[in-house]
Amino acid sequence: ETGVTQSPTHLIKTRGQQVTLRCSSQSGHNTVSWYQQALGQGPQFIFQYYREEENGRGNFPPRFSGLQFPNYSSELNVNALELDDSALYLCASSSGRDRGQETQYFGPGTRLLVL
Amino acid sequence: GQQLNQSPQSMFIQEGEDVSMNCTSSSIFNTWLWYKQDPGEGPVLLIALYKAGELTSNGRLTAQFGITRKDSFLNISASIPSDVGIYFCAGRRTYKYIFGTGTRLKVLA
Repeated sequence: ETGVTQSPTHLIKTRGQQVTLRCSSQSGHNTVSWYQQALGQGPQFIFQYYREEENGRGNFPPRFSGLQFPNYSSELNVNALELDDSALYLCASSSGRDRGQETQYFGPGTRLLVL
Repeated sequence: GQQLNQSPQSMFIQEGEDVSMNCTSSSIFNTWLWYKQDPGEGPVLLIALYKAGELTSNGRLTAQFGITRKDSFLNISASIPSDVGIYFCAGRRTYKYIFGTGTRLKVLA
């Protein structure tokens, strides 16, 4: 048990819709990263938030956006959903930005299916 | 997106056997990590490596950070049925973690 929680656990949407996924980070962690994991693949980095600001971004289009709140919980928003957005979305929290020996701890993920 | 090369892709082994898997990259990393992921779950951290050449153990698991900083390996000794799952390596460079393609391990009792 990592202490990182995500909601909802599963979600079904249709193409063109918008979705919001939520993550609560582990106590004491101020950094949250989001990943997309397609079936049979490793997680792909979407972006990272540190103290409520975006700290870095992977190769994902602007319709993937996020927020981090003062309590360090976070949201991932995806607009104009496409079929290829179907995946497991993982949230990972860590204790600081780019500080040597920090490591990330993952939540259980949200399984999104786009029809 | 970018993924690290992991090998083997999958393996069947007998209970009690030792297992070895590795991960290679064309780029250097500051940190290497190994995760295990069970079906429907998020990855669970097994071992983190922070310096080139570092060798670290966690129970029956041993991992090493390659001296070139472009590779890492994970060994599992005396495998047991609960070792089944997918093992991912990940390399960290500043804020970004890049994951490998995964090694699927199946242990035959």
